[in-house]
Amino acid sequence: AQSVTQPDIHITVSEGASLELRCNYSYGATPYLFWYVQSPGQGLQLLLKYFSGDTLVQGIKGFEAEFKRSQSSFNLRKPSVHWSDAAEYFCAVGGMDSSYKLIFGSGTRLLVRP
Amino acid sequence: GAGVSQSPSNKVTEKGKDVELRCDPISGHTALYWYRQRLGQGLEFLIYFQGNSAPDKSGLPSDRFSAERTGESVSTLTIQRTQQEDSAVYLCASSWRAGDTGELFFGEGSRLTVL
Repeated sequence: AQSVTQPDIHITVSEGASLELRCNYSYGATPYLFWYVQSPGQGLQLLLKYFSGDTLVQGIKGFEAEFKRSQSSFNLRKPSVHWSDAAEYFCAVGGMDSSYKLIFGSGTRLLVRP
Repeated sequence: GAGVSQSPSNKVTEKGKDVELRCDPISGHTALYWYRQRLGQGLEFLIYFQGNSAPDKSGLPSDRFSAERTGESVSTLTIQRTQQEDSAVYLCASSWRAGDTGELFFGEGSRLTVL
């Protein structure tokens, strides 16, 4: 079955600290992987995506993610968190096997301490 | 339009009433998706339209849910005889063509509360 697991419901970090949000997926074919961010009162925005090639992908707002096929993971990282990064983050998987409709994880809410 | 537009932004209804939620995708986008987001949960796929192809309705939770799309424009999600468990934010997204970039552009959602 196709699924996405984000094991951390909430994460709190201090401003300026590094961040890693975990994502594990289960997908039968070659996965396309995404991270979206949902800020209060706003729609979901794409941070970055992985289709193929270099397993370390760069996104907007200084985020990056690394695809590790052996671990079925696609963790999101940022070296130094800003207060404006406080939001909910969703990992998603899709691909030809599912006619490209995305399957989302349950999200991780990031809180940033001043 | 500039982005995906959804209406109403908030809807409060009584159990048993029918509701219609509207989505206006980005002009030129051929793929349109509906997702449901219950409080504290992830996004649950409901239905997907791609051009004039038959829609993928595999995510609709019951026959009380239906959706239509006129060509490559506006879509309407209808929930008949609403139940309290239907309370959620209903998100619409569109993309240029399913699979081209994988990026979905989301609206801000319609928050449905069933009393």
